[in-house]
Amino acid sequence: DGGITQSPKYLFRKEGQNVTLSCEQNLNHDAMYWYRQDPGQGLRLIYYSQIVNDFQKGDIAEGYSVSREKKESFPLTVTSAQKNPTAFYLCASSLRDRSERGAKNIQYFGAGTRLSVL
Amino acid sequence: GQSLEQPSEVTAVEGAIVQINCTYQTSGFYGLSWYQQHDGGAPTFLSYNALDGLEETGRFSSFLSRSDSYGYLLLQELQMKDSASYFCASCYNQGGKLIFGQGTELSVKP
Repeated sequence: DGGITQSPKYLFRKEGQNVTLSCEQNLNHDAMYWYRQDPGQGLRLIYYSQIVNDFQKGDIAEGYSVSREKKESFPLTVTSAQKNPTAFYLCASSLRDRSERGAKNIQYFGAGTRLSVL
Repeated sequence: GQSLEQPSEVTAVEGAIVQINCTYQTSGFYGLSWYQQHDGGAPTFLSYNALDGLEETGRFSSFLSRSDSYGYLLLQELQMKDSASYFCASCYNQGGKLIFGQGTELSVKP
């Protein structure tokens, strides 16, 4: 079955610690994305990557870092510089639809990782 | 910056029809998508409009008016399982990132 796998499902961070959230996809998608969702809020883009070895900052990149060494993997590190990391983190991937009606950019999401601070 | 506006919550009864509106900024706008997210779950794609008009997918339809910078999601024959948050999201360049609205929480009552 094709899909996106995020791990772990729950993660706890101690103060001053860096933690890494895993995201793997076997959909052969070029683009991958990381979002942060706070309770009752929408999705805010942290980082995105449209091709291997390249990525761009989203709207709230401060305190986070990513790498894209392989097409199927896009890990997110929440660094100690992120002072309010408690949130639901969602990873997504997409394959651009080249149909006549335009680029849909349908994004497929993983089940998410809930990060809390100890 | 680019942003989308949608109502924070909507309540309807089972079997009814509900419309969730979304307005967006036009600069560089390319298309409007809709996603559904059940509590604690992953968002899933529902519909997409790049051109004016109605797109129908079963009980769900989505509409876009580029001249009014406005779109909506129409849910018919509401079921309890439709209780969820619904997000509009806009593409501002071909194949690029999406900008999501804050989400509309739909509650379907018996």
